[in-house]
Amino acid sequence: IQLTQSPSLLSASVGDRVTLSCKGSQNINNYLAWYQQKLGEAPKLLIYNTNSLQTGIPSRFSGSGSGTDYTLTISSLQPEDVATYFCYQYNNGLTFGSGTKLEIK
Amino acid sequence: EVQLVESGGGLVQPGRSMKLSCAASGFTFSNYGMAWVRQAPTKGLEWVATISYDGSSTYYRDSVKGRFTISRDNAKSTLYLQMNSLRSEDTATYYCTEGLAYWGQGTLVTVSS
Repeated sequence: IQLTQSPSLLSASVGDRVTLSCKGSQNINNYLAWYQQKLGEAPKLLIYNTNSLQTGIPSRFSGSGSGTDYTLTISSLQPEDVATYFCYQYNNGLTFGSGTKLEIK
Repeated sequence: EVQLVESGGGLVQPGRSMKLSCAASGFTFSNYGMAWVRQAPTKGLEWVATISYDGSSTYYRDSVKGRFTISRDNAKSTLYLQMNSLRSEDTATYYCTEGLAYWGQGTLVTVSS
């Protein structure tokens, strides 16, 4: 299964609602996770099983979707959210999206 | 606290071998399938190999099949990746992970003459 993320680069202002997209080449059956990776760090799990918030992750992060189309939403962008975000499917093998780099405008 | 600590990376010449280790603690290692994921400099994440909880099943991406071997020692709570016939395109930070929430900090492998 291939994952296509869009946009590849997103610039937004603090407080903005931000939406990141991930589209699979096949049905992912909701086995979709989102990771945040800051420069020089390991990926951090934000969301698993499409919409389950990982323990300790702020509630401004949320996930949704079904079938082949999935979304990560940040309800109010904070400066510490600057990072690259990857989607990841574990329905059929393990595949990562190419990432969305999120910047502050 | 869950910890995954990779080791064994460094500089290696093309065609040579290297073995990575990942020491696990803070969870019941023998209950979990484990994987290696790599990330080339400034690139995205790429799954490399997976092993079942008991080591009976292994899976590899096509580009490393026949060159890399994933294994585990549940008595030592340690995951391994034996890498042979290394190529420049194998240069990356290698992470061990249980496949979702638990990740190590990574170990850098540089393949260069």
